[in-house]
Amino acid sequence: AQKVTQAQTEISVVEKEDVTLDCVYETRDTTYYLFWYKQPPSGELVFLIRRNSFDEQNEISGRYSWNFQKSTSSFNFTITASQVVDSAVYFCALSEANFGNEKLTFGTGTRLTIIP
Amino acid sequence: EAGVVQSPRYKIIEKKQPVAFWCNPISGHNTLYWYLQNLGQGPELLIRYENEEAVDDSQLPKDRFSAERLKGVDSTLKIQPAELGDSAVYLCASSLSTGVTDTQYFGPGTRLTVL
Repeated sequence: AQKVTQAQTEISVVEKEDVTLDCVYETRDTTYYLFWYKQPPSGELVFLIRRNSFDEQNEISGRYSWNFQKSTSSFNFTITASQVVDSAVYFCALSEANFGNEKLTFGTGTRLTIIP
Repeated sequence: EAGVVQSPRYKIIEKKQPVAFWCNPISGHNTLYWYLQNLGQGPELLIRYENEEAVDDSQLPKDRFSAERLKGVDSTLKIQPAELGDSAVYLCASSLSTGVTDTQYFGPGTRLTVL
């Protein structure tokens, strides 16, 4: 069975500080996909990134970066120079790559508050 | 490109009443998902459609929940009768099936309150 753990329930940082959101996953599959979604107060889940298990390269997109480490089963998300608009709940999710069974398993989310 | 559309955005009903939620996926997306999100939790899959066929409904409480996706585009999720514990956000998502794990795109959800 697959599982995603986001141990940080809530984080608050002052604007312009860097912040890292942790994600630890469990799966028995060797092929799987990891995702991050943002859920602002409006409620819509916004797709941020998708990473497959064979690609351990870190990725940077503007102020966002992701650190994937298979050795520790972690897929952490860092926001650099945080802004108030980054305030949201962030979800990490896992999907085992069984064609015909593309089920996303989400963590419980981390509520990030950026203090102006 | 328009995203996933859901209606209504909010619904308040009394227990034992029926309720229905509607979803229009992103144009061209053949896979559609309904998720349930309880307060403070991540979404949990209720049902997944590949075109008109429900290929995974193992988490759908079939005694009171039903869903349909006529013509393989729009979908409706129904609860009858609603219970207090059904209060939650119901999210619809869609993806384009490519043979590998697809990226799911979500709508804004319907927040249901059962009194």
